[in-house]
Amino acid sequence: DSGVTQTPKHLITATGQRVTLRCSPRSGDLSVYWYQQSLDQGLQFLIQYYNGEERAKGNILERFSAQQFPDLHSELNLSSLELGDSALYFCASSAGTGRSEQYFGPGTRLTVT
Amino acid sequence: GENVEQHPSTLSVQEGDSAVIKCTYSDSASNYFPWYKQELGKGPQLIIDIRSNVGEKKDQRIAVTLNKTAKHFSLHITETQPEDSAVYFCAVFLSGGYNKLIFGAGTRLAVHP
Repeated sequence: DSGVTQTPKHLITATGQRVTLRCSPRSGDLSVYWYQQSLDQGLQFLIQYYNGEERAKGNILERFSAQQFPDLHSELNLSSLELGDSALYFCASSAGTGRSEQYFGPGTRLTVT
Repeated sequence: GENVEQHPSTLSVQEGDSAVIKCTYSDSASNYFPWYKQELGKGPQLIIDIRSNVGEKKDQRIAVTLNKTAKHFSLHITETQPEDSAVYFCAVFLSGGYNKLIFGAGTRLAVHP
């Protein structure tokens, strides 16, 4: 158990809908990262927050957004969902930013029908 | 951008044999190289990492070697056991303002009793 929690574990929704994925980092970690894992694209970095502020951005679509709250939990919002958004979404946390060990949560499996 | 190539994509060994997975990268400024193990239905688990000022690091049956000149690093698992069966991912930390991990495509390791 990494200490990173994610909810929900599974999510099934229809195209065009909006969902919110939630992540709580390990105790004491200030950074939260979001990743998408699909069969054809592998593990792709989406976005990082550090102590409430956006710190780095990857291949995140404009339909997706994230935020980190004062209690350091983070939410990833996915809107106007398409079939191709079906994937595993992982959250990771680390103590700092930069070359810090990242610990992954169990993931949320999103299925868009 | 940074490109991380991982080989082989699948690896099958007999219990007790050694397994070696190799990754190459393109950005010479990269300075942090973690390895993750992902079991079915779980999030990636950090198993070992190495930083650019070190050539080799060991932790019991696993070791990682880094050749910065050639821009490649490898994971070595000795005395493999069936519970080592999983997908292994290498990653490269891209600094210089990007602050993100770039993952290899993964190696599916099967250890047969």
